[in-house]
Amino acid sequence: DTEVTQTPKHLVMGMTNKKSLKCEQHMGHRAMYWYKQKAKKPPELMFVYSYEKLSINESVPSRFSPECPNSSLLNLHLHALQPEDSALYLCASSQDGPNSANTGELFFGEGSRLTVL
Amino acid sequence: GNSVTQMEGPVTLSEEAFLTINCTYTATGYPSLFWYVQYPGEGLQLLLKATKADDKGSNKGFEATYRKETTSFHLEKGSVQVSDSAVYFCALSDDKIIFGKGTRLHILP
Repeated sequence: DTEVTQTPKHLVMGMTNKKSLKCEQHMGHRAMYWYKQKAKKPPELMFVYSYEKLSINESVPSRFSPECPNSSLLNLHLHALQPEDSALYLCASSQDGPNSANTGELFFGEGSRLTVL
Repeated sequence: GNSVTQMEGPVTLSEEAFLTINCTYTATGYPSLFWYVQYPGEGLQLLLKATKADDKGSNKGFEATYRKETTSFHLEKGSVQVSDSAVYFCALSDDKIIFGKGTRLHILP
């Protein structure tokens, strides 16, 4: 099994809603990532969890709240989002965390396309 | 700081044409270099990688050679297919991964 699975594939929410994006991998990877990708742009790193601990937060607004319940699961809780937060949210995993020999070998899910009204 | 610069797109080619997508980098250390591909409606997939100078990464007919003297990692393919239409991202990793802006490739039948 070499997949990273993200749910839901599409999400529409209002600015007062609370919703969550979910990501799962069963490759035994120890690092998991959230990226945000706007149209025709490269992915922008949001958060990195390494061995289930938050190791990188790229100054993301607090309306985005990550959670790593175990080494296979990664959630992104969304609250009070703005229309400009509409984007494709990509989850990725890697065998080891940042600063490891295979940093950069990321396995991506297909993404959750979020629309904030 | 580290950075990646790749050629602006879109690049439009006919099927069976030769492809080059240029990528240059700036890095203080000795990064690993990558090409990722993103097909429409999908996430990114690792296409190939090289971890040290003069290494050549290859996959699915694509190749790229890590050139330290020119700080480049150009992507090449001898004969492209319609199914190669996608966005290609050059990337480097040192302590974390940095992506280039992406090059959109259109292959016409």
